[in-house]
Amino acid sequence: EAQVTQNPRYLITVTGKKLTVTCSQNMNHEYMSWYRQDPGLGLRQIYYSMNVEVTDKGDVPEGYKVSRKEKRNFPLILESPSPNQTSLYFCASSFWGGSKYEQYFGPGTRLTVT
Amino acid sequence: RKEVEQDPGPFNVPEGATVAFNCTYSNSASQSFFWYRQDCRKEPKLLMSVYSSGNEDGRFTAQLNRASQYISLLIRDSKLSDSATYLCVVLGAGYSTLTFGKGTMLLVSP
Repeated sequence: EAQVTQNPRYLITVTGKKLTVTCSQNMNHEYMSWYRQDPGLGLRQIYYSMNVEVTDKGDVPEGYKVSRKEKRNFPLILESPSPNQTSLYFCASSFWGGSKYEQYFGPGTRLTVT
Repeated sequence: RKEVEQDPGPFNVPEGATVAFNCTYSNSASQSFFWYRQDCRKEPKLLMSVYSSGNEDGRFTAQLNRASQYISLLIRDSKLSDSATYLCVVLGAGYSTLTFGKGTMLLVSP
């Protein structure tokens, strides 16, 4: 079964305490990405990766880091979280080639930074 | 002009109604287009791709007009289970970034 998993699903933390949200996919997709979703702003892309060791900034990368050491994993790192990073985060894994397109999102991580 | 713009919602319709969502995009070099569905507090899920010739999947019809940079989604015979937020999504040139519209909420009532 095609799957994107994220952990943790819910996290409450304090300002400045480093955290990592993990993301893993089992479809051998090359493209992975992170989004945040906020009321009234929709889904905004934070970072994306087109393959192992290839990452690039999306629309709102400030305050985030990512790494792609292996194809299946794409963790999101908040080195020093701040309250404005309180949001719902989604990881996604995608493939497109020819006429085929598929994309799967993880179930989301709800982060609260106090 | 915002990159991907959708009708503001919510749309409240009775069961059985036909409802249409519209979307415009600003980047004429955009490659591909999609409609996603998102239920409350859940992850978005791909509903259908949108092709220039128009495409249909059961009660759902999607259309693309590249000249006008306009995408539409038509839902016929609405069901209660169609209640969700519908997101218009555009894949940029170079196949590198997906841009999401803010979504239009649909509420289908008995």
